[in-house]
Amino acid sequence: LAKTTQPISMDSYEGQEVNITCSHNNIATNDYITWYQQFPSQGPRFIIQGYKTKVTNEVASLFIPADRKSSTLSLPRVSLSDTAVYYCSPGGNTPLVFGKGTRLSVIA
Amino acid sequence: NAGVTQTPKFQVLKTGQSMTLQCAQDMNHNSMYWYRQDPGMGLRLIYYSASEGTTDKGEVPNGYNVSRLNKREFSLRLESAAPSQTSVYFCASSESSIGQPPYEQYFGPGTRLTVT
Repeated sequence: LAKTTQPISMDSYEGQEVNITCSHNNIATNDYITWYQQFPSQGPRFIIQGYKTKVTNEVASLFIPADRKSSTLSLPRVSLSDTAVYYCSPGGNTPLVFGKGTRLSVIA
Repeated sequence: NAGVTQTPKFQVLKTGQSMTLQCAQDMNHNSMYWYRQDPGMGLRLIYYSASEGTTDKGEVPNGYNVSRLNKREFSLRLESAAPSQTSVYFCASSESSIGQPPYEQYFGPGTRLTVT
């Protein structure tokens, strides 16, 4: 199973762009990278997923370099409601590994 | 459409007691999962069931047993609870556990278990 390393916590002001980078050095060739968001007292929920280069949806962008040993979740113009824990999760034909996540605190 | 439901929401056990955590999903998903979440440790996979009739160990299976009762239900049993099993337990389901890209997992609200 791929192991991940993320910053434990990050702080940001409202309206700023936030980038959270995750290292996954031993990612398997067929693994995708999926990011989940977790609010307090709730289960995680899916944000975005990708294999390589860049993926964008209505809430985030995901950047994956050519070597795929890391990925960066980009949240544009964060608001207080984006305060949560964010997990990067490599996987595909193996169960997802969630790791310890990054606690993002958005400050007014 | 309730998604993934878990019972109970809270439970306090004494060391050595047993209990079963229940999980059900109404999305006709094939795969179901049990995770535990401890402060500073993130989510760790206990067991999963790729399909009805199959179960596999995850990262931290010791002290737990599971039963995939049918396609909808996946239970987690603690035969002899220990304080180290104090945690928040999440059940999840997905269309499949095998896929490229992997299928989205849908999580339940969690069960907060305290073992004294």
